[in-house]
Amino acid sequence: AQKITQTQPGMFVQEKEAVTLDCTYDTSDPSYGLFWYKQPSSGEMIFLIYQGSYDQQNATEGRYSLNFQKARKSANLVISASQLGDSAMYFCAMREGPRNFNKFYFGSGTKLNVKP
Amino acid sequence: NAGVTQTPKFQVLKTGQSMTLQCAQDMNHEYMSWYRQDPGMGLRLIHYSVGAGITDQGEVPNGYNVSRSTTEDFPLRLLSAAPSQTSVYFCASNRGSSGANVLTFGAGSRLTVL
Repeated sequence: AQKITQTQPGMFVQEKEAVTLDCTYDTSDPSYGLFWYKQPSSGEMIFLIYQGSYDQQNATEGRYSLNFQKARKSANLVISASQLGDSAMYFCAMREGPRNFNKFYFGSGTKLNVKP
Repeated sequence: NAGVTQTPKFQVLKTGQSMTLQCAQDMNHEYMSWYRQDPGMGLRLIHYSVGAGITDQGEVPNGYNVSRSTTEDFPLRLLSAAPSQTSVYFCASNRGSSGANVLTFGAGSRLTVL
């Protein structure tokens, strides 16, 4: 089974609007971490936001927030007030347990296009 | 502070040739790893290392070798390149700790095997 599923291959959003990128995960480990990375057309991978499985509150970093619904095993990324520079690929990733700090599982990504 | 440095950035090989992708980090991270990125498949783990002298296989290890003689360096070797190894390769490093144990990536190496 896929560890990370991103069901939106591509998304469009109008500049200055909010957008939600979906991510569901699959694990039986009670301890895990969820991450979102941005990959602009230049190709580098940029860390955006992190959510730990034991965190009580949803993570926020500037215009990025993570809508963490543990029971549904979802970790959606919300980008508020979209900017043209937000156009990129976005990857959701997960790291399981204390013995797997080195293993990250990535989704297939969502390509976001921000329209002016 | 350079972070994670990968070389070369681009490489074209013929089937059967060998090559080494170099990776170095200057953050004193314990863990290093190699991922490949293919269209529609995200990033998949090839090999990883939890410290000097210790390596292990990831999800797609076939056709690749690694070694880790120092904390800083983690080269990836293709012994006999195949067209299926055409991909973008990322080296990454992270601390061996819980919490926001963020992967720091290199800039990527685009490999084409003809």
